[in-house]
Amino acid sequence: KAGVTQTPRYLIKTRGQQVTLSCSPISGHRSVSWYQQTPGQGLQFLFEYFSETQRNKGNFPGRFSGRQFSNSRSEMNVSTLELGDSALYLCASSLPGAGTGELFFGEGSRLTVL
Amino acid sequence: GQQLNQSPQSMFIQEGEDVSMNCTSSSIFNTWLWYKQDPGEGPVLLIALYKAGELTSNGRLTAQFGITRKDSFLNISASIPSDVGIYFCAGQRTGANNLFFGTGTRLTVIP
Repeated sequence: KAGVTQTPRYLIKTRGQQVTLSCSPISGHRSVSWYQQTPGQGLQFLFEYFSETQRNKGNFPGRFSGRQFSNSRSEMNVSTLELGDSALYLCASSLPGAGTGELFFGEGSRLTVL
Repeated sequence: GQQLNQSPQSMFIQEGEDVSMNCTSSSIFNTWLWYKQDPGEGPVLLIALYKAGELTSNGRLTAQFGITRKDSFLNISASIPSDVGIYFCAGQRTGANNLFFGTGTRLTVIP
């Protein structure tokens, strides 16, 4: 069974630009979550999508947004990039039930903002 | 956001030694999970615990869900070089998929 696939793996942007990251979940997984990982703040929850609807949201500004498509693939977008947005962005997929525990992560997209 | 406290922050051990790390929270979780992350990779799920007091093993790894539901620990027996990495605990509440992650324990195994 193929794992969670994230693209691109690495990207460099400059302040003020916007970025879109993509995630393909494990086949059969309909819930997709996004996390930001930085050395200072650790792993922090951004948002979760299920059936093309945002089901839960972390404490991030509105510049961070996402969406999910009918095939469960998801994208997240960060607009007006700031230096502090440099991070590893991780996507995780899980079975539909909420609170079922097991989230499976992709390898991440490493964003550097200059 | 809420962060779980993991200890120790880092460990340097000899190959073959046993390792123990723990995770504590000020609030209750209904599920505890342990992940391992290698450099440049995403976290990989090691063990999931669903019931207070539960003790679960996965090969050389053993984890327990604390009775108070506010803590968990992970033991690794007979460590080997490939155990090197950062170990994260994570808590989850009923009815929500989002995880609250610990601060991580960086493990170094000296051959």
